[in-house]
Amino acid sequence: DAGVTQSPTHLIKTRGQQVTLRCSPKSGHDTVSWYQQALGQGPQFIFQYYEEEERQRGNFPDRFSGHQFPNYSSELNVNALLLGDSALYLCASSWTSGSTDTQYFGPGTRLTVL
Amino acid sequence: AQSVAQPEDQVNVAEGNPLTVKCTYSVSGNPYLFWYVQYPNRGLQFLLKYITGDNLVKGSYGFEAEFNKSQTSFHLKKPSALVSDSALYFCAVRDGGRRALTFGSGTRLQVQP
Repeated sequence: DAGVTQSPTHLIKTRGQQVTLRCSPKSGHDTVSWYQQALGQGPQFIFQYYEEEERQRGNFPDRFSGHQFPNYSSELNVNALLLGDSALYLCASSWTSGSTDTQYFGPGTRLTVL
Repeated sequence: AQSVAQPEDQVNVAEGNPLTVKCTYSVSGNPYLFWYVQYPNRGLQFLLKYITGDNLVKGSYGFEAEFNKSQTSFHLKKPSALVSDSALYFCAVRDGGRRALTFGSGTRLQVQP
């Protein structure tokens, strides 16, 4: 049983560019959440997708957007990249069953903005 | 608003000794509490969670955590530490009405042989 997978593993971009990160959830999971983990900090919630809609959003600007596909996989898009967007981006999947769903994380995508 | 505090940036313990990694939280409503571990260049691995019921929760790799409502704490414990337990540990919380996890800043556990 495959866990949460993310691609690519590493990515280098320059300021002003756009980037797309991808996530495939754990088998049986229908919900995907995205987190940003800056160096030396805990993960910060970006948003969560369920039934192809954004269900909840954290304190991130509109430059951060996402999408969920019918097969539950998800993309995170970041426009007009800033140096401060350099971080590890983590995807987590869960199964929405009441309010006790546990989030399982992928290995992350390391984004470096030069 | 919900928040988590991990007061220790680093915890050092000798192999074979018991370990404790501290976590306190603030949340409106009933807390759902989680512990995750992160190894270098890896994502977060789920260790255990408290939703309701017994205050002592058992998880993966021999870890357990004690929920204390009056002290709003959820400390991670293990009776006998292993060198392989050396990693970064994160405590996280959410209330029943929200889906987002709020994480602490992390505690680096160093187990010396």
